[in-house]
Amino acid sequence: DAKTTQPPSMDCAEGRAANLPCNHSTISGNEYVYWYRQIHSQGPQYIIHGLKNNETNEMASLIITEDRKSSTLILPHATLRDTAVYYCIVRGWTTSGTYKYIFGTGTRLKVLA
Amino acid sequence: KAGVTQTPRYLIKTRGQQVTLSCSPISGHRSVSWYQQTPGQGLQFLFEYFSETQRNKGNFPGRFSGRQFSNSRSEMNVSTLELGDSALYLCASSLGGEGEKLFFGSGTQLSVL
Repeated sequence: DAKTTQPPSMDCAEGRAANLPCNHSTISGNEYVYWYRQIHSQGPQYIIHGLKNNETNEMASLIITEDRKSSTLILPHATLRDTAVYYCIVRGWTTSGTYKYIFGTGTRLKVLA
Repeated sequence: KAGVTQTPRYLIKTRGQQVTLSCSPISGHRSVSWYQQTPGQGLQFLFEYFSETQRNKGNFPGRFSGRQFSNSRSEMNVSTLELGDSALYLCASSLGGEGEKLFFGSGTQLSVL
């Protein structure tokens, strides 16, 4: 199964960009990278996902390296409400040809005033 | 559009009992997946149902089971509860296709005494 590795915690000053790295060196060619975040015991919230190309939406940008072994989630102007646990996920394919989401341990981002 | 609804929000049971949790997906979503979240193990995939059929399964014992109804609503059952089953149980729905994003409910917090 494809696995992800993230730093356990990060701090970011309010108004600055938050760059959250993720390593997924065992990713396969047809596996997507997803990012979700979870705020204190609520259900995880979708942020962004991508396959090969960089992606941007109203919440964040996703930068995937050319070899796809790592990615970075960028929150361009972090606010206090962005304080949460951020999960980088690879949608992994099982040997039986089906898929499942494999969550890592996440990065606890703290945005500082 | 209503989000994913999980009931009940909180539940207290004793060892040996069984419990049934309910999940109503977003209208039109045919895939429902279940996750267990604990402080020690993080988010772990339990199983996924698509059009009333179990499509994917995680590495949990047979005490954990689920089903999906024709209206896509899903239930998860845990029999012979153990103390270690205390967790936040999350369900997520999606359209079910490749590259689809998950929409999570707020979860059911289960405490086993």
